[in-house]
Parts: sequence; structure tokens; C-alpha cells
Amino acid sequence: KNEVEQSPQNLTAQEGEFITINCSYSVGISALHWLQQHPGGGIVSLFMLSSGKKKHGRLIATINIQEKHSSLHITASHPRDSAVYICAVNFPGGGADGLTFGKGTHLIIQP
Amino acid sequence: NAGVMQNPRHLVRRRGQEARLRCSPVKGHSHVYWYRQLPEEGLKFMVYLQKENIIDESGMPKERFSAEFPKEGPSILRIQQVVRGDSAAYFCASSPVIVATYNEQFFGPGTRLTVL
Repeated sequence: KNEVEQSPQNLTAQEGEFITINCSYSVGISALHWLQQHPGGGIVSLFMLSSGKKKHGRLIATINIQEKHSSLHITASHPRDSAVYICAVNFPGGGADGLTFGKGTHLIIQP
Repeated sequence: NAGVMQNPRHLVRRRGQEARLRCSPVKGHSHVYWYRQLPEEGLKFMVYLQKENIIDESGMPKERFSAEFPKEGPSILRIQQVVRGDSAAYFCASSPVIVATYNEQFFGPGTRLTVL
């Protein structure tokens, strides 16, 4: 069964802390996406990656294909980073390009 | 450049009515995906369409739900005879012509459907 697991489910941290959110998946994938969803808001695509590491501002995403694992890091966290972070993957085959999502990590950064 | 647009943003329907959700993809994108987010649950894939074709509808409920992406105009997700369990946020995403085995999807702001 194609599954995506995220941890932690909830995370509360102080402003300035280094944040790590983890994502594991069950079988080989075509690509992995990190998404951000603010309360009551839409979804923003942060990264799409299939290997290695990507960086955008204070956000860093890494993926280890052999271990079927990805991490999203936030450096110098800020209250405006408070959101739900969602890992999603493209499982290959079957003709579908739709994403399979993790349940999300609810992040709260306190000032 | 306009991103993915969805309307309405909020939709209230009574049980038994029809709901029509519209999605205008990013200009030039020919692939559209619909996802549903039930309250307190994660996002789930519903359907994947290209212009005038349904590519994969494996995530769509077998009854009452249909989707289309005509040659001209927005993609439409249609829910007939809505029930309270249809209350959810419905997100649309689009992507350009696939040139690799995967592609980035751009999400719309969602339509929040409430069934009374």
C-alpha cells in the first residue's frame, strides 16, 4: 500500500529555533513535494524534489531515496512560519499523477 | 501572471442541492487535479484531467460526483444531491504539459463547501 507518514504531528517551538519535520514513504516515488497550508487558507508549494537537497531562503528540503525519507528544515524560525506543513508524493505507475499526502505537521512558533 | 483560481471560495448548499465548483488553471497549463480535504483529515486525490479527457478518476466517489475540463473554460467539479458528508475544502491544482516523469503542481485557494 502506498503510504506517506509524517512526524511530528504537532510541533510547538520558540522563535529562532531550528525546526525539522520528517516524512517517510512506503515505496519508491517519482517525486516528493513539501506544501504549506495556513489556517483557513490555500496551499502553497514549497519544494518539489526527487533527489538531493533544495534551499529557498530559510527553508531547506532534503531527500534520501534509499531510505525513502525526506526532511524539511526551517532555520531561524519565526511566528509567521506557523502553518501546517504537508509532505506529498507522486507514486509511479497506474497512469495517475495525483499526489498522495501525509496528514501534515501543525507547527506553531511562539514569539 | 494569475495563479490557479477557484470559485466560489465559499459555497453553502442544502442537502439534495447541486454544487458546482470551478477551477481556472494557470494560463497555459493543460492538466488539472482535484483534491478534497475533509474536516480534520488530510488531502485526498479525487481526479486528474487533461483538456477534454479524464485521465484518472480513481479517487472520485462512484455516485453523485463528476468532473470535466472542457476545451474552453474552467474545469468543473460537480456534486449532485449533496449530503452533509460532502462538506469539505476542495482544492484544484494545475500543471503544465508533462515533460518528465513528474511535475510541480500549483494549487488554488480552495472552495469550502458547507452542506446544511
